[in-house]
Parts: sequence; structure tokens; C-alpha cells
Amino acid sequence: QVQLQESGPGLVKPSETLSLTCTVSGHSITSYYWNWIRQPPGKGLEWIGYISYSGSTNYNPSLKSRVTISMDTSKNQFSLKLNSVTAADTAVYYCARGWGNTDYWGQGTLVAVSS
Amino acid sequence: QSALTQPRSVSGSPGQSLTISCTGTGSDVGGYNFVSWYQQHPGKGPKLLIYDVTKRPSGVPDRFSGSKSGNTASLTISGLQAEDEADYYCCSHAGGFVFGGGTEVTVL
Repeated sequence: QVQLQESGPGLVKPSETLSLTCTVSGHSITSYYWNWIRQPPGKGLEWIGYISYSGSTNYNPSLKSRVTISMDTSKNQFSLKLNSVTAADTAVYYCARGWGNTDYWGQGTLVAVSS
Repeated sequence: QSALTQPRSVSGSPGQSLTISCTGTGSDVGGYNFVSWYQQHPGKGPKLLIYDVTKRPSGVPDRFSGSKSGNTASLTISGLQAEDEADYYCCSHAGGFVFGGGTEVTVL
């Protein structure tokens, strides 16, 4: 069974960098596509970007200047870095598998941006 | 890429059919057959219901069906059940991906 688990700080200060890691079990990240998606409290879903099995990336144009997604195949993990955060980046952050058919999701982790 | 347009809320009685629209442009919904739909219950993560416009993952009831015409995709729920009360999101390939704003479904 494929499982994804997000981890990282639940509180980040404004202007700093949000860093999250997704640990995948039950499937190698050297196949498929691996996404980060977020959901501000009470609002809808926003696709942040993905990293492919080969390490290529694709980002939401509205976040592209601040986002980096990377992978560590030795640990079967992929990570998100979002820099220069503001309160508008407060959200539940999900990692998920798939390209157009995002079938496995982590439980989500709430990250608040506040001083 | 702008968010796809969905109605904010729709409602129906048990047993009825209900359709949720998802309107985009020729650069997303209309340009690719890569539309997916997700169901999200309060406090839970999203669940994939439909992908590639019409395909259902194993385990998803055939009460859920998808279609597309031009720049608008649709999700139809037939035989509405109380457990279908949730938020529903469409998503389309658009170079990357873009979601709709979400539709709250209420079962009366």
C-alpha cells in the first residue's frame, strides 16, 4: 500500500523559508510524478508543482519564483521549499502521487506563517 | 493560469442526479483530455473520483461519471446518497495543473 507522510515545522516566520518533506512508502519515487498541493484554511486547492521520476520539475507560474521541489531517492523522499513566505502562504500542505490522476495523498500538514 | 470556474454550491435530494460544471479555457479544459475530479469531506484529504475526463479509479462507484464539452467539464453524481455530501474539485492540465474553486454539495 502506497503511503505518503508530510513532515516539517508547523510555524514559519514571515520572510523566511518554508521547508517540508514527504516520505513515501510502498512505492519508489523513481517512478511516477510527485506533487505538492496546498489548501488555505476554508479555501480551495492550489497546485504548487511536481517533480518527476527523472527529477524534472514543473511549478505553478504564480509561485515559480519562490518554489523549489527536490528529491532524495536514497531516502525515498521529496521536498518542498517556499521562500519569502507571507501570511498568504498559511495553508494545509499535501504531498501526492500522480500526473493528472493524483491517486495517493498524504494526510496534510498545517503550516502557519506568523511572527 | 487562472482557477477553473465551478458553482459555489449545489444541492439535491437522495436518489436524484446532480451535475457540477467546471469551466476553463482552450488552454486548459478545452485543450487537453486531462481533467480530474476530487471529493473532499470536512477535515479529510481529497480523494480521486475521475481522471482523464471519464475514467474511474478502481473502488469508485459508477454513480460518479465525468464528461467534457468544449471548455467545460462536468461531474455527474447519480443516485445521490447522504455520504456524497462533500466538497468537489475539478483539476485540469494547463502546462502544469490548475484546480477549480470547489463546489459544496448538500444532500437535502
